[in-house]
Amino acid sequence: AQSVTQLDSQVPVFEEAPVELRCNYSSSVSVYLFWYVQYPNQGLQLLLKYLSGSTLVESINGFEAEFNKSQTSFHLRKPSVHISDTAEYFCAVSDRSRNNDMRFGAGTRLTVKP
Amino acid sequence: DSGVTQTPKHLITATGQRVTLRCSPRSGDLSVYWYQQSLDQGLQFLIQYYNGEERAKGNILERFSAQQFPDLHSELNLSSLELGDSALYFCASSLEGRSGNTIYFGEGSWLTVV
Repeated sequence: AQSVTQLDSQVPVFEEAPVELRCNYSSSVSVYLFWYVQYPNQGLQLLLKYLSGSTLVESINGFEAEFNKSQTSFHLRKPSVHISDTAEYFCAVSDRSRNNDMRFGAGTRLTVKP
Repeated sequence: DSGVTQTPKHLITATGQRVTLRCSPRSGDLSVYWYQQSLDQGLQFLIQYYNGEERAKGNILERFSAQQFPDLHSELNLSSLELGDSALYFCASSLEGRSGNTIYFGEGSWLTVV
């Protein structure tokens, strides 16, 4: 079965600084990859996903992630963060050949300080 | 608003009791998922249904059961509750049950077992 490791449980950063949230996955088969964001007291929302094609995927609010098959990684980056980006970020993986039983990482709490 | 509705939002009950959590998927979605989020175990996939049929099973305890009804709403039944069952339970839905489909999460049901 597939699994996800998010290497940092907490990432504090100052406003307007760049940030990278790291995600590595393990799977014996091809996968789809996702990043979800959870704001306080809310459910998870899809931020971006990689299904096929270009290995660099972008979200509407300035985040991007790059699928690296050789390193089995899907790190999330943003060149300049805002206070409003403070949230919990989850990396997730699902096996392409199976049902959509998506497996999530433990999450990374991003805290943006003024 | 994801369009996924969960009730109740908060629930406090005693050990040994049984509770039912209810979920209405987004309009048009055929697949429903249940996840458990706790501090010590993170976000765990419990079970997936597609159009009334069980599609995939994750880390769901035998004391827990779920079903999806003909109108596509779903219920998660938790019985013989233990303190460790205290968690945030998410329902989510997707258009189909295939891998790669975006999963939309509700805001969760907070269960506290005392």
